[in-house]
Amino acid sequence: AQSVTQPDIHITVSEGASLELRCNYSYGATPYLFWYVQSPGQGLQLLLKYFSGDTLVQGIKGFEAEFKRSQSSFNLRKPSVHWSDAAEYFCAVAGNAGKSTFGDGTTLTVKP
Amino acid sequence: EADIYQTPRYLVIGTGKKITLECSQTMGHDKMYWYQQDPGMELHLIHYSYGVNSTEKGDLSSESTVSRIRTEHFPLTLESARPSHTSQYLCASSELPGANTGELFFGEGSRLTVL
Repeated sequence: AQSVTQPDIHITVSEGASLELRCNYSYGATPYLFWYVQSPGQGLQLLLKYFSGDTLVQGIKGFEAEFKRSQSSFNLRKPSVHWSDAAEYFCAVAGNAGKSTFGDGTTLTVKP
Repeated sequence: EADIYQTPRYLVIGTGKKITLECSQTMGHDKMYWYQQDPGMELHLIHYSYGVNSTEKGDLSSESTVSRIRTEHFPLTLESARPSHTSQYLCASSELPGANTGELFFGEGSRLTVL
């Protein structure tokens, strides 16, 4: 069975500081991996995805993520956080039949 | 930009009422999903569909039902709402025919409150 773990429930960073959100997955084959962002009262929006090839993927809003098979990780990074990045972030893995399993999410707070 | 719409966005109703949450997408996607999201943020898959006349139960048991009579439409119905059904319901779709990427496109959600 596939699963996703986001170890950090809540992260606070100062505006302009760098950010890393952790994600570990469990899946028997090569996974399809995603990061989504959710603003308050909204649905989820795709930030970036990994299917194959280059293990460093670029996404929207200046985010990137690195796939590390040996660590079963897909951590999300941003070099300089903006106040508008405050939101909930979800890591997900898609397996057979396209069903996605989500992590529990990480709440990002940005301090001025 | 994704074209998937949910109505109503917000609904407050009394116990025992029947409600239907609408979800429509204009992308021609085969697969559609309903997720339930409680205040603790976790998303739980409650229903999914691989195409017309296909419906399956998700990972989380739900008293709701769904139908898929048309490709673009995937409504969710509660025959008799209870306070325990209070939650946010997110509809999503994925995959043009022949594709298999698993990327989900979400609607903005329907927040249901049952008094």
